[in-house]
Order: sequence, then C-alpha cells, then structure tokens
Amino acid sequence: NAGVTQTPKFQVLKTGQSMTLQCAQDMNHEYMSWYRQDPGMGLRLIHYSVGAGITDQGEVPNGYNVSRSTTEDFPLRLLSAAPSQTSVYFCASRTPSGNTIYFGEGSWLTVV
Amino acid sequence: GENVEQHPSTLSVQEGDSAVIKCTYSDSASNYFPWYKQELGKRPQLIIDIRSNVGEKKDQRIAVTLNKTAKHFSLHITETQPEDSAVYFCAASIRGGKLIFGQGTELSVKP
Repeated sequence: NAGVTQTPKFQVLKTGQSMTLQCAQDMNHEYMSWYRQDPGMGLRLIHYSVGAGITDQGEVPNGYNVSRSTTEDFPLRLLSAAPSQTSVYFCASRTPSGNTIYFGEGSWLTVV
Repeated sequence: GENVEQHPSTLSVQEGDSAVIKCTYSDSASNYFPWYKQELGKRPQLIIDIRSNVGEKKDQRIAVTLNKTAKHFSLHITETQPEDSAVYFCAASIRGGKLIFGQGTELSVKP
C-alpha cells in the first residue's frame, strides 16, 4: 500500500492563478480531509468528506473547493490563489470506525 | 466554535529531563484525543492516543493523561533524548468525526 499520496510536493503560483492539489489513498478509507499548516496555528481543517459524493466545510474553507467522485481521490482546488494561501497542505484519511488519521507527505505552496 | 488550546508553544529541556505539554478542549462531546509528532519537513505521525473512557495511557517513555471533568489532557515524555526534538500536536475529536488540532509545541532537547 502506498498510503496517502499527495502531488505536487512543491508549487509556486502567481496571485490569481488556479491549481489543484491531488490526493489519493489506496486503503479504502471513506473519510478524507485537507488541512493547512501555518506557523503557530497548528493544523486547520479546510474541507472533509465522509464518502464518495459527500463533502463538507471545515474551519477555514474560504478560497478552496473540493469534490469526491471516487473513494480513492479527494482533490483540493484553489480557484484564484492569494498570498494568504501560502502554506503547507496535508491530505489525510481514516476509516469510519477508526480514529487514526494517516497523513500524506504534504504540499508546500507559495503564492507570490 | 470548538477549539483546542495547547501550551507551551516552545519547550526546552536537558537530555534526561521530563517534558510535559498540556491541552484543553471546548467540546464536551469529544471522546478521542491523539498526539502527533512532526519532525522538520515531515508529515505528522501519531505517537499515542487516549479515549474518553480511560484516564491514563503509557507507551514506554510516553504517557498521556485525560481529565474529562476539567476538559484537559497532557502528554508526558520521560528521560528525553535529542531525537525527541520535534513539534508536538494535540487534537480532539468533535462531532462528525473531525479532528481539531492545537497550535503545536516545539520541543527542543539539549544534549
């Protein structure tokens, strides 16, 4: 099993550009989520999904969209990047009955 | 809204000493409390967790205690080693199965 796979690992965007962070898991986990990590603020939940076709907002959803067409994939879209979205992004997954969250390796995003 | 407060933000100890990190949570329905360790440039890794029906849990040099009445839980690391240096995060489950994280504690263990 590869676990949780995120791409790209590093990305530089210009303000106003759009992009998609990809996330895939091969553990058949129904629950997937996206967090952003900023210095001194811990990990903040952006969006999450409890299964294919179902998504919901977390603590900081503004400026981000998600979709969940399959159990395996949970992409995060930035429609119009802003410097405030410069951050490290982590995708994560777990089973419905399990609490252990498995994180991807992270994506370092810089918006200039 | 629900939140988790974590203290201290930085902690420096001498090798061999103990380290304690404390967290408080706001949602009385929270029933799962994990701790994650994150080394520089790496993903967070689960090191220990506790559920609300247990007051304390140990795993070698690491222990976690939970006080549900006061809504706080703590991580205890004994006989610290330089490889314990990292950022530690606490978290608490909230409704919908979500996890809310604390702000993190940067632990530095000096040889």
